Amino acid sequence: EPEVTQTPSHQVTQMGQEVILRCVPISNHLYFYWYRQILGQKVEFLVSFYNNEISEKSEIFDDQFSVERPDGSNFTLKIRSTKLEDSAMYFCASAYSVNTGELFFGEGSRLTVL
Amino acid sequence: QQPVQSPQAVILREGEDAVINCSSSKALYSVHWYRQKHGEAPVFLMILLKGGEQKGHDKISASFNEKKQQSSLYLTASQLSYSGTYFCGTEGEKSSGDKLTFGTGTRLAVRP
Repeated sequence: EPEVTQTPSHQVTQMGQEVILRCVPISNHLYFYWYRQILGQKVEFLVSFYNNEISEKSEIFDDQFSVERPDGSNFTLKIRSTKLEDSAMYFCASAYSVNTGELFFGEGSRLTVL
Repeated sequence: QQPVQSPQAVILREGEDAVINCSSSKALYSVHWYRQKHGEAPVFLMILLKGGEQKGHDKISASFNEKKQQSSLYLTASQLSYSGTYFCGTEGEKSSGDKLTFGTGTRLAVRP
């Protein structure tokens, strides 16, 4: 069964360092998302991506964050200068269609900022 | 705006029923339900679109009342495997159509 894969599964970094989280969405999907979940809390929307551009982003997704789809298969989330409060589980998700389709989530990348 | 779920947590004995509610302050186009087990990714359960439909999936069903901007998830004859956190995800009528906003979550624990 096709699945969304994410790497790394866990990354520990120092405050102020840059981090890149990688995702390989399901191959025929057209919509891509990043969500994050601080431990024990709700799943928060960060950004959606369609047709090679950001279609919507939340207030969390400030100038420190960027996304790109460099090669047609990978979908990356970059955090330019990490802060302690960026520590969370970051989930990538993809969907073939919106409105009627389910989101397929990856297993997540746990980011710990020290 | 984030949908509100109730209750925040519920403990059941195996075989008991539960209802989880999801309310939004804005007009909705669709409601999704996901279950997340501890340390895992959310897994899709079902989607309900405008039309007040009810859907079922095994012993888990849901309804959507778009006039009240509410959805309810019904868990019947609960099994141990139902334990986890349940999130509703909503999509507003006026959104660009590609963003789900997840609710506050409901933790469900099913005991033997």
